[in-house]
Amino acid sequence: EAGVAQSPRYKIIEKRQSVAFWCNPISGHATLYWYQQILGQGPKLLIQFQNNGVVDDSQLPKDRFSAERLKGVDSTLKIQPAKLEDSAVYLCASSTRTARPILSGANVLTFGAGSRLTVL
Amino acid sequence: AQRVTQPEKLLSVFKGAPVELKCNYSYSGSPELFWYVQYSRQRLQLLLRHISRESIKGFTADLNKGETSFHLKKPFAQEEDSAMYYCALSTLGNEKLTFGTGTRLTIIP
Repeated sequence: EAGVAQSPRYKIIEKRQSVAFWCNPISGHATLYWYQQILGQGPKLLIQFQNNGVVDDSQLPKDRFSAERLKGVDSTLKIQPAKLEDSAVYLCASSTRTARPILSGANVLTFGAGSRLTVL
Repeated sequence: AQRVTQPEKLLSVFKGAPVELKCNYSYSGSPELFWYVQYSRQRLQLLLRHISRESIKGFTADLNKGETSFHLKKPFAQEEDSAMYYCALSTLGNEKLTFGTGTRLTIIP
C-alpha cells in the first residue's frame, strides 16, 4: 500500500509569514493526525480527525494554527502568522480502527516523512 | 493526563552487548504501550507494541503495570540498531499517541 504522503518536505519562511502543509493519508484510513516535533523533543499531537470531523484539537494554538480535512481524505495544516518557535518538523499520520488489533496490526499509526519548517 | 518519560537522551552500547532503553509512563487507566523507531533518513515507524507480545528484530518489551514501565530490551546489539527510539502510549478507544522525548541509541562497532 502507498504510504502517507506529505508536502512540502522543506520550507523556510520569515516570521509573520504564512505556510501550509498538505497530507494525503493511506487509502481507507479514517483517522488522521498532525504532530509537531521540535528538535530534541518527541512528537506532540496538534490535531486528530476522524473522517472530516475534529476529535481532539486541545493542543492546537488556534490563534495561529488551523487545519481542515474537508472531504475526509486529504488534510491541510496552516500557520498564520508564523513565529520563531514554530520551527519544527510537522508529521502527518493516519490509522484505521479494527475490532481485532492484535491480528490485523491495525490501530497503529503510520507516519509520513514530515515537513520541516524553519522560521527565520 | 498521560505522560511518558524516557530518562536517557543518549545511549551508547558496544556491538554484541545487551541493550535496555527505559520507558516509564503515568496514566490512571489501562494503557497501550508502543515503541517507535526512526532510523537515519527514514520515517518514524512502529517497532513493537505490548499487546502483540512479540519480538521484532530481536527486541522485546514487557509492560510492568506495578512499576509503570515498558523498557525495550535486546540481548545482543547490532550496528543496524543505531537509531532514535520513542516510547509512546495510547488509551483505550483512542489511537492517538503520547510520545516520550526519545533515546538516541548508538551501537559502537
